[in-house]
Amino acid sequence: EDQVTQSPEALRLQEGESSSLNCSYTVSGLRGLFWYRQDPGKGPEFLFTLYSAGEEKEKERLKATLTKKESFLHITAPKPEDSATYLCAVDQGGYQKVTFGTGTKLQVIP
Amino acid sequence: EPEVTQTPSHQVTQMGQEVILRCVPISNHLYFYWYRQILGQKVEFLVSFYNNEISEKSEIFDDQFSVERPDGSNFTLKIRSTKLEDSAMYFCASSKGQPFTDTQYFGPGTRLTVL
Repeated sequence: EDQVTQSPEALRLQEGESSSLNCSYTVSGLRGLFWYRQDPGKGPEFLFTLYSAGEEKEKERLKATLTKKESFLHITAPKPEDSATYLCAVDQGGYQKVTFGTGTKLQVIP
Repeated sequence: EPEVTQTPSHQVTQMGQEVILRCVPISNHLYFYWYRQILGQKVEFLVSFYNNEISEKSEIFDDQFSVERPDGSNFTLKIRSTKLEDSAMYFCASSKGQPFTDTQYFGPGTRLTVL
């Protein structure tokens, strides 16, 4: 069965303390890997799409990277407003659907 | 900035009743989707819709569910006879192109509570 696994489930950081979130996948025929941010009670908000191993994308304090088996979301010098659940999702190709992981709940403490 | 809107924000219904959840996708988008998220669980794909027909559906999307684009702007999800386990947050999304080529934009969701 195709799987998307995120770790850790929860992460608590001090403001300014950099860290990484992991998304590992065991899907065949990956066409794209997506990172979303989800605030409580709201819909996922798109952050990045990665298509091939070695690709990197950056936005403000966030940087996403992709290998053949996993993706990392690096958060540099996080601020309290970065607190949210970060979701990873994959598109397997041949299907117009996206499979989500369970997310990493990030809390940044001032 | 254009956004996906959903109504109502919260729907409470009795088990066995029919509900219709409404979405207005971004106006120039061609692909439409419904997802659900049971409290504390992951976001799950239900169905995708393109060119006025279902293009993909998950095993969750059984005969109790249907989707429709009744006019040029609305996209609806109908649950014919709700069950307790249908209680969840339902998200509508839309994209200009297919997911791997174009970003899916999500609405704020409708919280469905089945009593």
